[in-house]
Amino acid sequence: SQQGEEDPQALSIQEGENATMNCSYKTSINNLQWYRQNSGRGLVHLILIRSNEREKHSGRLRVTLDTSKKSSSLLITASRAADTASYFCATDTQRGAQKLVFGQGTRLTINP
Amino acid sequence: DAGITQSPRYKITETGRQVTLMCHQTWSHSYMFWYRQDLGHGLRLIYYSAAADITDKGEVPDGYVVSRSKTENFPLTLESATRSQTSVYFCASSVILPSGDTQYFGPGTRLTVL
Repeated sequence: SQQGEEDPQALSIQEGENATMNCSYKTSINNLQWYRQNSGRGLVHLILIRSNEREKHSGRLRVTLDTSKKSSSLLITASRAADTASYFCATDTQRGAQKLVFGQGTRLTINP
Repeated sequence: DAGITQSPRYKITETGRQVTLMCHQTWSHSYMFWYRQDLGHGLRLIYYSAAADITDKGEVPDGYVVSRSKTENFPLTLESATRSQTSVYFCASSVILPSGDTQYFGPGTRLTVL
């Protein structure tokens, strides 16, 4: 069963706009991670936020975590065509087990 | 991505045949994973390994066998392939860090079972 569910499933915006993707999960977590997958490629780690953190930044990426609502959001600011990809959240629920549970992803399309 | 490779990248086989997908990493990461990716299901964990000679089942292990005799290799075998095993398979590795683990993915193997 899926731990994380992304919303929306697909998002299409104009280059330069901000893109926001959401992830909801069901059980308590140690950390939550976001990954990007370009078409036909493997996943690439973007950012990790721990359960005791509320917000984290990395370049044009901003991740928030609300453990009371069991949700996270990924904001990509000033989007570029190269940001076109699928984005997945993944939750780490078992400390030390190294096992991640992935959501189904949000497909982001940036239109030039 | 350069540190973790998968072979073959594409494979077509027939129902009932045995197929082995290879995964090799150069980082000496202790943990390795096999996932399958299907439309509507996202990534699902098949098997994982904490170290050489230590493996454990994930969410969807039926029909698959793994081994890990060396830290750098983690082959996945489909003992008798079925059409439902048509999928894209990803291998990943990770290392234990105090901040939490992140996984590094290979480029994937697209498997078609006819």
